[in-house]
Amino acid sequence: KAGVTQTPRYLIKTRGQQVTLSCSPISGHRSVSWYQQTPGQGLQFLFEYFSETQRNKGNFPGRFSGRQFSNSRSEMNVSTLELGDSALYLCASSPIPGASSYNEQFFGPGTRLTVL
Amino acid sequence: AQSVTQPDIHITVSEGASLELRCNYSYGATPYLFWYVQSPGQGLQLLLKYFSGDTLVQGIKGFEAEFKRSQSSFNLRKPSVHWSDAAEYFCAVAARYSGGGADGLTFGKGTHLIIQP
Repeated sequence: KAGVTQTPRYLIKTRGQQVTLSCSPISGHRSVSWYQQTPGQGLQFLFEYFSETQRNKGNFPGRFSGRQFSNSRSEMNVSTLELGDSALYLCASSPIPGASSYNEQFFGPGTRLTVL
Repeated sequence: AQSVTQPDIHITVSEGASLELRCNYSYGATPYLFWYVQSPGQGLQLLLKYFSGDTLVQGIKGFEAEFKRSQSSFNLRKPSVHWSDAAEYFCAVAARYSGGGADGLTFGKGTHLIIQP
């Protein structure tokens, strides 16, 4: 069974640009969560999607958005990039949403975003 | 809101020695508890989790963790470390909900494990 796939693996953007990251969950998994990892703030929850609906969002500005498609693939978008958005963005998939399914949750390798 | 504290930023252990990584959490009730490992350039891999029941839980790669409600702790242990255990370790909690959405995982800042030969 293929794992969680994230594309691209590396991105370099400049301030003010926007970026879209993609996540393909494990086959059969319908819930996708996104996390931001930075040296200063650590791992922080961005949002969770299930059945094309955002179920929860972490404490991030509106510049961070996402969506999920009918095949459960998810994208996240960051508009008007700032230097502080440089981070590793991790995607995780699980069969259903909610903490009780996190023992079946798998993380992708992440997308490394650098904002210059 | 829940929070997780991993008091040790770095830990150095000799190969073959025992290991204990500390984790304390703050939450109004007993949350779901997890330990993850992250190797350089990799995503997170779940080592073990505690949902309920036996407070000593076994995980992959020979790791175990003990939930102590009175201390709000969930420390990770391994009796004998291998050089391949060098990595970043994260403790995490998730709120229990009877229904509806979830707030995702709340992670500690991580402990960087260094293995000395």
